[in-house]
Amino acid sequence: AQSVTQLGSHVSVSEGALVLLRCNYSSSVPPYLFWYVQYPNQGLQLLLKYTSAATLVKGINGFEAEFKKSETSFHLTKPSAHMSDAAEYFCAVGRNFGNEKLTFGTGTRLTIIP
Amino acid sequence: SAVISQKPSRDICQRGTSLTIQCQVDSQVTMMFWYRQQPGQSLTLIATANQGSEATYESGFVIDKFPISRPNLTFSTLTVSNMSPEDSSIYLCSVEPGGLGEAFFGQGTRLTVV
Repeated sequence: AQSVTQLGSHVSVSEGALVLLRCNYSSSVPPYLFWYVQYPNQGLQLLLKYTSAATLVKGINGFEAEFKKSETSFHLTKPSAHMSDAAEYFCAVGRNFGNEKLTFGTGTRLTIIP
Repeated sequence: SAVISQKPSRDICQRGTSLTIQCQVDSQVTMMFWYRQQPGQSLTLIATANQGSEATYESGFVIDKFPISRPNLTFSTLTVSNMSPEDSSIYLCSVEPGGLGEAFFGQGTRLTVV
């Protein structure tokens, strides 16, 4: 079965500082990996996805993530945090080769300090 | 991509009553997914709804408690029956038009049971 683990349920960074949100996955087959963002009182929105092409994936709003097979990681980064980045971020491992369901991590709440 | 309209956006209900949540998609999709997001937690898949067949429920969820309808390829409803305070959650519908786990979500229904 697939799973993802997000380290840190809450992360606070200063405006303009580096954002790093950690995600590690477990999968018996090459995974499809996703980062979703949930702003207050909204549904989830796809930030970026990894589907076995380039290991460095660029998403919306200046976010990017790097797939590292040796570390089974897919950490999300942004060089310079903006106030509008404050939200809940979910890592997810998706369906690949079969009927595995989309499985979400427990989420990381990002707070931006002015 | 897909645009999903979900309603109601929020409701406060008395215990013992039922609430039906509607989800409308702007394009035809084979499967629609219903998730529950309990306070401070991640998303848990309730069931997968296919047009023309019974929904497939995940472990821990039953049809009597969460009946689902799927009358056509763009619409689905989820009913939360005989509600108790433990049902207070955000309920989200989702579609994956391209498959492989890239999901699009409605804005969610925030349910409070008193």
